[in-house]
Amino acid sequence: SYVLTQPPSVSVAPGETARLTCGGNDIVTKNVHWYQQKPGQAPLMVIFYDKDRPSGIPERFSGSNSGNMATLTISRVEAGDEADYFCQVWDDSSDHYVFGIGTKLTVL
Amino acid sequence: EEQVVESGGGLVQPGGSLRLSCRASGFIFDTYEMNWVRQAPGKGLEWIASISDRRSIILYADSVKGRFTISRDNAKNSLYLQMNSLRFEDTTVYYCARGRYRGFDLWGRGTLVTVSS
Repeated sequence: SYVLTQPPSVSVAPGETARLTCGGNDIVTKNVHWYQQKPGQAPLMVIFYDKDRPSGIPERFSGSNSGNMATLTISRVEAGDEADYFCQVWDDSSDHYVFGIGTKLTVL
Repeated sequence: EEQVVESGGGLVQPGGSLRLSCRASGFIFDTYEMNWVRQAPGKGLEWIASISDRRSIILYADSVKGRFTISRDNAKNSLYLQMNSLRFEDTTVYYCARGRYRGFDLWGRGTLVTVSS
């Protein structure tokens, strides 16, 4: 089945830019979605279709997808952005939804 | 306000059964795919089951296939998960999630299932 690879952790200082990656074989052919999950809360979709933002998600959140890597970029990082971030795709070869293991974003 | 609310979690012995429910409100339930996604404590997200809007397409993750059954009652705006032959490793928080864009755009707060003797 399709595998998504995410680094376990990323740290960034407030005001800087965080880049969270999601690797997968030829992932550019898939639509990648990103979720933010804060402690004790349900996941929240922050990016769909690689780069689109749901209503209410700040413009600081953006996404891209190329080759074997998708990236969630968070500009001007704030303390409130500290959370786990998961990428997800639909794998049509197995008819399964697939999640990455998640990246814990720490704001220093 | 669009929301989904899970219920039915609790403590169950290995080999036992449990039925989870998810009540939707604030949107036209019967036009959306619905899903169950679970998360073990401190772990990642795992999609486990999906049912299309009219129940014509039902999919399961390999980890639960043959043991869990997803269903829905559109007249009651409700989604269900019947869990049989429960194992220790089924101990997780179970989320109800609305399907959209081949992702999940609306999540409940989850219900905890604990499998323990």
